[in-house]
Amino acid sequence: GESVGLHLPTLSVQEGDNSIINCAYSNSASDYFIWYKQESGKGPQFIIDIRSNMDKRQGQRVTVLLNKTVKHLSLQIAATQPGDSAVYFCAEIPNQGGKLIFGQGTELSVKP
Amino acid sequence: NAGVMQNPRHLVRRRGQEARLRCSPMKGHSHVYWYRQLPEEGLKFMVYLQKENIIDESGMPKERFSAEFPKEGPSILRIQQVVRGDSAAYFCASSPYGSTDTQYFGPGTRLTVL
Repeated sequence: GESVGLHLPTLSVQEGDNSIINCAYSNSASDYFIWYKQESGKGPQFIIDIRSNMDKRQGQRVTVLLNKTVKHLSLQIAATQPGDSAVYFCAEIPNQGGKLIFGQGTELSVKP
Repeated sequence: NAGVMQNPRHLVRRRGQEARLRCSPMKGHSHVYWYRQLPEEGLKFMVYLQKENIIDESGMPKERFSAEFPKEGPSILRIQQVVRGDSAAYFCASSPYGSTDTQYFGPGTRLTVL
């Protein structure tokens, strides 16, 4: 069935280092992908998105890469800060639209 | 520009009671989605609504759960005769134009069933 999963459940990095969070998806018909950040006790916060007609998109300190050949999505965070500590979810919208299909999440821990 | 509003933020119910969760979408958004997050898990889609219409309820349990998004007022997720397994965080999201838009989430309602 449809699924969006993450390779690493936890990631610990030193402040100032770059972080890479990976995600695999199985529905090749999906054409819209979003990364969300969720801090403890809060709702998911939109970080960055990418459509299937792109393979890279950059934001402020974040970059999303999409490899449709191997159905892989990654989130790169430059110069990771303590405030980046959270659980990161990738999510997929199938081409018929509507529901987001979420992965289980990767917990990012930033050491000062 | 207020974001998605949810209330209450925390709700405690005893088994068998009813739970009503409210969601006010962002201004100008007419598409509402409900998701459930069990402890230590990701978010699972429940239902997608537009004003006065249920578009996709494929994630809703068949019994005890219902949702509405009336012409006026917030969207309501209703859980009848709650059981302990209903304890979770329930999140609402909204989008402006259509079903392939970015969804923006509210802070969630944390339901605890005693």
